[in-house]
Amino acid sequence: GQQVMQIPQYQHVQEGEDFTTYCNSSTTLSNIQWYKQRPGGHPVFLIQLVKSGEVKKQKRLTFQFGEAKKNSSLHITATQTTDVGTYFCAGPDGDKIIFGKGTRLHILP
Amino acid sequence: KAGVTQTPRYLIKTRGQQVTLSCSPISGHRSVSWYQQTPGQGLQFLFEYFSETQRNKGNFPGRFSGRQFSNSRSEMNVSTLELGDSALYLCASRARDYNSPLHFGNGTRLTVT
Repeated sequence: GQQVMQIPQYQHVQEGEDFTTYCNSSTTLSNIQWYKQRPGGHPVFLIQLVKSGEVKKQKRLTFQFGEAKKNSSLHITATQTTDVGTYFCAGPDGDKIIFGKGTRLHILP
Repeated sequence: KAGVTQTPRYLIKTRGQQVTLSCSPISGHRSVSWYQQTPGQGLQFLFEYFSETQRNKGNFPGRFSGRQFSNSRSEMNVSTLELGDSALYLCASRARDYNSPLHFGNGTRLTVT
């Protein structure tokens, strides 16, 4: 079946540094979704990308969908302590949504 | 609008027992999906229900089952619990459109001893 892979698994950054997580699918995706899970919390939907090459921004977060619609990235500029958590990408496999294993972001003060 | 509600928040069971978890979706959402989250495996899809019918199923043994009621509330049952079933079980609802985002509940933390 389809797989969605994310790298890196963990990332430690100094507060104020940038952070990027990458997502790759074994097949072409009709769309990709990004979620954030704070420690002790549940995944919360951030954004959905649909178009090839699409770029969307939410304040310091920039999301990209690859031209071939098989990869995506999330970039955070100037990280803050509120960015701590695990970031998941997710894509459709048929009509169910499957998740990458996530990238856990730690912020060093 | 109230969010997705899962009960109970925490459960401790012993091996061999069975457990039932409950999920109430966002009002108007007819799709309910269940995921198992463990540190090593991330979010693993269990199954999805829509209008009281199981629409999708993941690769879990038959000990894991679920159902959905006419008011869209869903239950998940795990029989003959094993130590490896210890996990956070997350329920998520979404609108009818397959591309709609998932709205997760707070989860049920199951510990099997």
